[in-house]
Amino acid sequence: EAGVTQFPSHSVIEKGQTVTLRCDPISGHDNLYWYRRVMGKEIKFLLHFVKESKQDESGMPNNRFLAERTGGTYSTLKVQPAELEDSGVYFCASSQIRGRPDTQYFGPGTRLTVL
Amino acid sequence: AQTVTQSQPEMSVQEAETVTLSCTYDTSESDYYLFWYKQPPSRQMILVIRQEAYKQQNATENRFSVNFQKAAKSFSLKISDSQLGDAAMYFCAYHRLFQGGSEKLVFGKGTKLTVNP
Repeated sequence: EAGVTQFPSHSVIEKGQTVTLRCDPISGHDNLYWYRRVMGKEIKFLLHFVKESKQDESGMPNNRFLAERTGGTYSTLKVQPAELEDSGVYFCASSQIRGRPDTQYFGPGTRLTVL
Repeated sequence: AQTVTQSQPEMSVQEAETVTLSCTYDTSESDYYLFWYKQPPSRQMILVIRQEAYKQQNATENRFSVNFQKAAKSFSLKISDSQLGDAAMYFCAYHRLFQGGSEKLVFGKGTKLTVNP
């Protein structure tokens, strides 16, 4: 069974540009999460999808970040326009069971560098 | 708000020896889950072990075990017979489940473990 995959693995862009990160969860997992780790800090929650619906987006930093999950399958996270402080590693995770804690399976992350 | 503290930014251990990574957390909830994840260099994060707060028995997975002290809000990870492949960043995480169905992990800053041959 394929794990969580993320694309690209690395992205280097200039301030003001747009970047779109993609996450493919494990097949059959209704829950999809985005997290971010800024250098030297904790991994922070960004948002939680249940199927195609945003269940919780309280961790999204601001309106420059837009997440979508088409048809309840893969998800994209777009940053537009990117700022220097957006640099970090963006992780996607998925889990199967709803309503009680379940193991979240993580992707390898996308390292975003904004110059 | 829940917080997770890992007070050891870096640790090292000799191969075949035992090491304990510490984690404390702050919560007012009585039922919750705790996790240890590891992230080897340039590889993805994987689950090491999980503990349900309502269970008094400490979780064990092969060479990995936890010392869960609920009253003290402590959740340390013990790695026995350390192997070179155990070298990684280790993250302690608290699982939050909200009434509306949203959920998330709250992470500590991580502990970088080096295993010396």
